[in-house]
Amino acid sequence: GDSVTQMEGPVTLSEEAFLTINCTYTATGYPSLFWYVQYPGEGLQLLLKATKADDKGSNKGFEATYRKETTSFHLEKGSVQVSDSAVYFCALYPPNAGGTSYGKLTFGQGTILTVHP
Amino acid sequence: KAGVTQTPRYLIKTRGQQVTLSCSPISGHRSVSWYQQTPGQGLQFLFEYFSETQRNKGNFPGRFSGRQFSNSRSEMNVSTLELGDSALYLCASTWRTGHTEAFFGQGTRLTVV
Repeated sequence: GDSVTQMEGPVTLSEEAFLTINCTYTATGYPSLFWYVQYPGEGLQLLLKATKADDKGSNKGFEATYRKETTSFHLEKGSVQVSDSAVYFCALYPPNAGGTSYGKLTFGQGTILTVHP
Repeated sequence: KAGVTQTPRYLIKTRGQQVTLSCSPISGHRSVSWYQQTPGQGLQFLFEYFSETQRNKGNFPGRFSGRQFSNSRSEMNVSTLELGDSALYLCASTWRTGHTEAFFGQGTRLTVV
């Protein structure tokens, strides 16, 4: 079945450092890929998405490129801020969703990011 | 446009009781999915509803059930609560089944004592 693997965390960085959170996936065909962020005590917020190979999703300085050849969707940001401290989830939605795929996002285990001033 | 609204935000229940959680999707969204989030298991899919029909169900016992109303609002019910049911329950809505961009509510934090 579908699966998503994120780099093990937690990740601790100083403000203005470069961020990479690795994400690889296993799925049939070309799934849609997402990064969600969860702040303490909150639900998930969609950070960015990509729906086909070589697409680059971007938002709020974060970027991720859909790499079909390496089945990856790594999250990057050039200069992190304290306010970026949160849990980040990589997720996929299968192509041609139907049957047992309806409405089902598959998530990675999440990566806790802490940014110090 | 209002976001996904989940009520209540927090609940404390006793083992053996039952609980009902509510989710109001974004206006115009017709698909609602539910997820359970725990530190040990992460985010796990519970079920999905579209036009009052359950289209998909995750691997959870029959104590977990749900429904969707004609206005797309959804409820989930957990009967005979167990300590292990303590979790954050998240609801997500999308415009239609198969539309990939899901918007999440803030969740209901259920604690079973």
